[in-house]
Amino acid sequence: GESVGLHLPTLSVQEGDNSIINCAYSNSASDYFIWYKQESGKGPQFIIDIRSNMDKRQGQRVTVLLNKTVKHLSLQIAATQPGDSAVYFCAENQAGTALIFGKGTTLSVSS
Amino acid sequence: EADIYQTPRYLVIGTGKKITLECSQTMGHDKMYWYQQDPGMELHLIHYSYGVNSTEKGDLSSESTVSRIRTEHFPLTLESARPSHTSQYLCASSGRGQGGPDTQYFGPGTRLTVL
Repeated sequence: GESVGLHLPTLSVQEGDNSIINCAYSNSASDYFIWYKQESGKGPQFIIDIRSNMDKRQGQRVTVLLNKTVKHLSLQIAATQPGDSAVYFCAENQAGTALIFGKGTTLSVSS
Repeated sequence: EADIYQTPRYLVIGTGKKITLECSQTMGHDKMYWYQQDPGMELHLIHYSYGVNSTEKGDLSSESTVSRIRTEHFPLTLESARPSHTSQYLCASSGRGQGGPDTQYFGPGTRLTVL
């Protein structure tokens, strides 16, 4: 079946650097995308979402970019902090269907 | 405060026991979901419900069952637990109310260990 995947299982950065986490999706009909952050021992926490009629959306220290031509989604975290260390999942769906989650990227931030 | 709750947070039981994992939400959502997740790995949908008296199996085959008698409540039951059921179980909800219609909000999870 179609699925969402992430390019790298792990990413290590220094505190203060910018982080970029990537995700590729295969379903060209998907029209809604979400990034989640999951800290150890907790449930996934909503970070930011974007609909297919947009290319970019910004939140507090986070930006999501959507490239529908190559079916690529990325999460940019500015000035990464130790508290950003977690597993990040992208998810996608078509309206009204269940979300499909990718495999996750573990972000490690060293000070 | 609108939220989603799961109990127990941790459970260690012996093989063959019947267990029920509880999930309740005060988000005003009509859709609820159960996922199974091994540490740091992807989430696998095992059950979902789009409203009262509506339940469906997800992509991952599971020996568990669910019920949806009340909008706020979506319990998951294992009739006879086995070591292969050891995992983290995450409950989520989405729908009208807080958040967009497809945005799922997750509970803290139940870490189940079957000896």
